[in-house]
Parts: sequence; structure tokens; C-alpha cells
Amino acid sequence: DGGITQSPKYLFRKEGQNVTLSCEQNLNHDAMYWYRQDPGQGLRLIYYSQIVNDFQKGDIAEGYSVSREKKESFPLTVTSAQKNPTAFYLCASSGSRQETQYFGPGTRLLVL
Amino acid sequence: GESVGLHLPTLSVQEGDNSIINCAYSNSASDYFIWYKQESGKGPQFIIDIRSNMDKRQGQRVTVLLNKTVKHLSLQIAATQPGDSAVYFCAEKDPGTYKYIFGTGTRLKVLA
Repeated sequence: DGGITQSPKYLFRKEGQNVTLSCEQNLNHDAMYWYRQDPGQGLRLIYYSQIVNDFQKGDIAEGYSVSREKKESFPLTVTSAQKNPTAFYLCASSGSRQETQYFGPGTRLLVL
Repeated sequence: GESVGLHLPTLSVQEGDNSIINCAYSNSASDYFIWYKQESGKGPQFIIDIRSNMDKRQGQRVTVLLNKTVKHLSLQIAATQPGDSAVYFCAEKDPGTYKYIFGTGTRLKVLA
């Protein structure tokens, strides 16, 4: 998985609950990303960050929030405002010079 | 394992045959492309990349062809093996940004 770890592998959310997905990379990459994957669809960008303390909304940011306090870490919070959170969430990173984007192993979020 | 894509186009090939997976991209200004392999329940794995100043690039058992005239990308897998069974998708880098645009993917099934 190219030095990117995501935890937990499976996460269960109750109605009205916020949950946070962890993503850590040891590749010294500047940029980090969060994607959502649903069956039969391509990856959809939630948020991305080019540098520490800066991030931008992707195509489906509503109901999600992120932070980038450290270069190595880019946690994603799925808030209670996200009404259909069940999906496979993928974190990725890329270097500023090396454009190749590498992915973590993913977190499956399920709603109880 | 978790199914990545329940309704994806499927390519079935006999073990030992060559596979060709196709992808159309959207932006004629895109200058960097990646092919990924995703097995069920796992994160996408980098296979091979190509820049727009090239028409062809070869790796181990894989070849990527780029036709900029018709905005088409293909991945050729030689001597397809059972371990090649997965979902394959292409990604194009949005020029001037850190963002990537992903295709929906093709499921490759290798028949014994």
C-alpha cells in the first residue's frame, strides 16, 4: 500500500454520530486526498490538501470535514449531516514533484 | 471480500491470452495518466503511468498506449494470469492542479 495506512478497516456509525477515519503516510508526500467509492461508480473526490494547514473541497464535500495539522496525517470526519455515508473510503497521497498518486487500503463505513 | 463494482463492464479472457482494457479520457490538455488495479476489498494499486509526450510505455507484462487524437488510453496485459482478475481503471491528472479524474473501471475475469 505504498506507505499509506488507514484505520480502522471497518467502521460502524450510528444515526446522528460523527466518526473519524484515520490516514497516515510515511512517504514524505505533500498532497493528500480522500475519495469515496460506491459500487459501480468511479472514485469521487471528497477533499484534498496540497500542504499542511490548507485543504480544498472536492466534488462531494458536503457532510464531511478534514484537517491537515501534520504532513503525515489527513483525518476525515463523516458528520451526521452526511445522510448516506455507507461506502468504501480511500485515502491517497502524491509528492509535489512525483505526480503518481498512491492509495491506502481503504476503510469500509457501515451504518447501524 | 467487498465487491468494488457490481455493475461494471466486464472483460472475460482465457488464461494465457492477452487482455486489452480501454479508457476514454475527458480533457485534451491532460498530460499525465495512470492505470490502477483494484482487487476486491483493497485499495487501488499503481500499475503503470504515461505522460502525454509518449504514445506507448511498457512494463512487466503490461503496456499502456495513448492516443491523444481520440483521447483514448488502453492497457494491454500479456499472458493473462488468474492473479490479474480485478477491476482496472484509468486516471488522468487535471492539468495545473493536484486533482485526478478517474474512470469507472472495467472488471477483468480470467477463465481457467
